Amino acid sequence: DGGITQSPKYLFRKEGQNVTLSCEQNLNHDAMYWYRQDPGQGLRLIYYSQIVNDFQKGDIAEGYSVSREKKESFPLTVTSAQKNPTAFYLCASSKLQGGSYNEQFFGPGTRLTVL
Amino acid sequence: GESVGLHLPTLSVQEGDNSIINCAYSNSASDYFIWYKQESGKGPQFIIDIRSNMDKRQGQRVTVLLNKTVKHLSLQIAATQPGDSAVYFCAENTGGYNKLIFGAGTRLAVHP
Repeated sequence: DGGITQSPKYLFRKEGQNVTLSCEQNLNHDAMYWYRQDPGQGLRLIYYSQIVNDFQKGDIAEGYSVSREKKESFPLTVTSAQKNPTAFYLCASSKLQGGSYNEQFFGPGTRLTVL
Repeated sequence: GESVGLHLPTLSVQEGDNSIINCAYSNSASDYFIWYKQESGKGPQFIIDIRSNMDKRQGQRVTVLLNKTVKHLSLQIAATQPGDSAVYFCAENTGGYNKLIFGAGTRLAVHP
């Protein structure tokens, strides 16, 4: 089955710790994205990547870091610098076709709770 | 600034009725719009999209209408079913890198 997987589904972290969220896709998509969702709110873009070894900050990148060493993988690290990390984190991917927009496919999400 | 908003945060309908979920966008340069459905604790699922050179697009039981004059987008769901209960998000794309700006969402509650 093609799709996007995120792990773990639930994650608990103590204050001051870094934690890495996994995102893998086998859709052969060039672009990948990380969003944060808070209760009762829409999605906000953290980081996105259009190609391996390249990524750009989104609207709320402070306190987060990413890497894109492989086309299939786009892990997100929530650092201790992120002041309010408790949220639902969603990874997405899409094709990139010149001059054309394409839907983003989302993973099942990781719910991060800081204790 | 750029924003996507919704008129109604919660919509309650009877099973079998038609549902209409509305969305206002503020950036007149937006040229691609998309509706997602999100069930509790899950990632958003694509419903339907529309490009700005169209004013209507139909899918299975769903229709999206785009009114660029008043910067308004709507999602119509025919014969609403209990399985349609979810939060619905509209999103717009204004950038060349496929960046989406999401609205806050509308919760659709379907009652038997």
